[in-house]
Amino acid sequence: AQSVTQPDIHITVSEGASLELRCNYSYGATPYLFWYVQSPGQGLQLLLKYFSGDTLVQGIKGFEAEFKRSQSSFNLRKPSVHWSDAAEYFCAYLNRDDKIIFGKGTRLHILP
Amino acid sequence: GAGVSQSPSNKVTEKGKDVELRCDPISGHTALYWYRQSLGQGLEFLIYFQGNSAPDKSGLPSDRFSAERTGGSVSTLTIQRTQQEDSAVYLCASSLDRASYEQYFGPGTRLTVT
Repeated sequence: AQSVTQPDIHITVSEGASLELRCNYSYGATPYLFWYVQSPGQGLQLLLKYFSGDTLVQGIKGFEAEFKRSQSSFNLRKPSVHWSDAAEYFCAYLNRDDKIIFGKGTRLHILP
Repeated sequence: GAGVSQSPSNKVTEKGKDVELRCDPISGHTALYWYRQSLGQGLEFLIYFQGNSAPDKSGLPSDRFSAERTGGSVSTLTIQRTQQEDSAVYLCASSLDRASYEQYFGPGTRLTVT
């Protein structure tokens, strides 16, 4: 069955440290993949998306993600996190019915 | 321009009552989605409207849930005979068209059923 899995429910990193949030997908063909962020008290915002082409995708707020077919992964990365990055992050994919299906999310905590 | 708006922002209701949640999408966006976000459960797809096509209702959890979209713009999600398990944040999103796939989300309506 098609799905995305975010194995980490919570992640804590220190401010200024690098970040990698994991997302694994299960899909027969090349999936359309997304990362969204939900900051406290705000709506979800699209960080980046991958449809095809270059497997390293640049997004907003200094985030990037790399599509790795061999590992069925689309991990989100940032070289140096800021306190304002504390939020919940959702990986999502476009299913065969043209609906965007979200993972359960990873909550990111930042230590000062 | 204005983003997606939802009202009310918070709703507390008694078990068994009906509630209506409203979504105003971005002007010109033809696609509109409703999701439910429960604690620790991610976003659960509920229903999807695209232009004048019949809506995709495959995510509605029971026949107590219904939604309509009038004039291709404003949408109302109705929950009849609310139950405590309906307590969640209900999110609306719109996108320019079926192919763009970039969704713009509203701030959500937090529903609490007592």
